[in-house]
Amino acid sequence: DVKVTQSSRYLVKRTGEKVFLECVQDMDHENMFWYRQDPGLGLRLIYFSYDVKMKEKGDIPEGYSVSREKKERFSLILESASTNQTSMYLCASSRQGSSYGYTFGSGTRLTVV
Amino acid sequence: KNQVEQSPQSLIILEGKNCTLQCNYTVSPFSNLRWYKQDTGRGPVSLTIMTFSENTKSNGRYTATLDADTKQSSLHITASQLSDSASYICVVSARSGYKLSFGAGTTVTVRA
Repeated sequence: DVKVTQSSRYLVKRTGEKVFLECVQDMDHENMFWYRQDPGLGLRLIYFSYDVKMKEKGDIPEGYSVSREKKERFSLILESASTNQTSMYLCASSRQGSSYGYTFGSGTRLTVV
Repeated sequence: KNQVEQSPQSLIILEGKNCTLQCNYTVSPFSNLRWYKQDTGRGPVSLTIMTFSENTKSNGRYTATLDADTKQSSLHITASQLSDSASYICVVSARSGYKLSFGAGTTVTVRA
C-alpha cells in the first residue's frame, strides 16, 4: 500500500524554537507538497518541490523553509516558531507532470505555545 | 484567482438518511475534480476523481457528479452511517500545472 508518512502526529513547541516537520513517501513521486489547514480556510500551499534540491514557494511561504535532499523526503522548517503557526500541517506527493495519484499524509498537529 | 466554493459549511443528518454536498468552482482551464474525505485529525483520503468527460463517478455509497458547463459538482452520500461523519473537501486541478485549488470543506455529522 502506497504511503506518505509524516513523522509526528502531534507536536508542541515553544515560541522561537526551530521546528522540523518530516515527510517521507514510498511511491517514487517527483512532486512533494506542504500545506497547512486551518478551520474555515481550507488547505493552503506553503511550498512544493518538483525534484531533489528544487523548491518553489506556494501561497503562504512566509516564516517557513523547506529541504529536499533525497527524492523520498521533504522537510518543512519553521525557523522561529510563532503562535500563529499553530495549525494542522499536511504533506502530499504526486507524479511528475500530473495531479493524478495525489496522496496525502496523515497530518501533523502543531501547537506553538 | 481560481476558487472553489462548497456548501453547506456543515450539516447534521440521521443515520440511514441521504445527503448531498455542493461544490462550485471557477478554475480554468479545468483538468479534474476530486472529492476527499477527511476524518478528524487525519489527512484527506481520495473518494472520487473526475475529468472533463466524466459526469458521474461512484465509490460505494458515495456518488459524485460533475457538470463542467456550469462548473458544479455534487457529492451524494446514500444511507449514511456513523463512520461518514467527517469533513468532505472538493479539490479542483487546472491543466496549467499540478497545483490544486481546495474548497474549505463541508463538515458532515451523522447521528444515531
